[in-house]
Amino acid sequence: DTEVTQTPKHLVMGMTNKKSLKCEQHMGHRAMYWYKQKAKKPPELMFVYSYEKLSINESVPSRFSPECPNSSLLNLHLHALQPEDSALYLCASSQRTVNYGYTFGSGTRLTVV
Amino acid sequence: KQEVTQIPAALSVPEGENLVLNCSFTDSAIYNLQWFRQDPGKGLTSLLLIQSSQREQTSGRLNASLDKSSGRSTLYIAASQPGDSATYLCARGGGATNKLIFGTGTLLAVQP
Repeated sequence: DTEVTQTPKHLVMGMTNKKSLKCEQHMGHRAMYWYKQKAKKPPELMFVYSYEKLSINESVPSRFSPECPNSSLLNLHLHALQPEDSALYLCASSQRTVNYGYTFGSGTRLTVV
Repeated sequence: KQEVTQIPAALSVPEGENLVLNCSFTDSAIYNLQWFRQDPGKGLTSLLLIQSSQREQTSGRLNASLDKSSGRSTLYIAASQPGDSATYLCARGGGATNKLIFGTGTLLAVQP
């Protein structure tokens, strides 16, 4: 298995809703990442998990809450989002955090109404 | 601030042409340079990964080079096809957490 699987593929949520994005990999990678991509822009790093511990938070608002329950799973909990949070959310993994290439999932297209 | 720039921003070529996409970065202390392809509304597909100790990598019609001293990487696509139409992103990895910094992207259109 050489894939990163993200669910759901599409999500529409209201500003008062609570939802979660899920990411799964079974490649034995020990680093996992969340990226946010707005239209016609490159992806921007949000969070880095290394060995299931949060190692980087790029000053992301608290309405985004990451969780890494085990080495294969990464969640992003969403609460009280704003319309400007609408974007493509990408999950990625790499074998370790140093000097290894990334594998990306196909993303979750999030629309906040 | 570490920056990654890609030139050109957009490129349109007829089918069959060979083409070069450029990527430049300001921080020469990189660990690796990775090229990705992104189709509209989709995730990123890894094309080539060049480690800092390497000069180039090849996969099929694709060849990527890395020159750390000049802060440049190029992606060469031979005999382009309409199916190559996509946005191409380069990204530099480095630092203790292998933070991946993306370039601005090149939107490629190959005309049949």
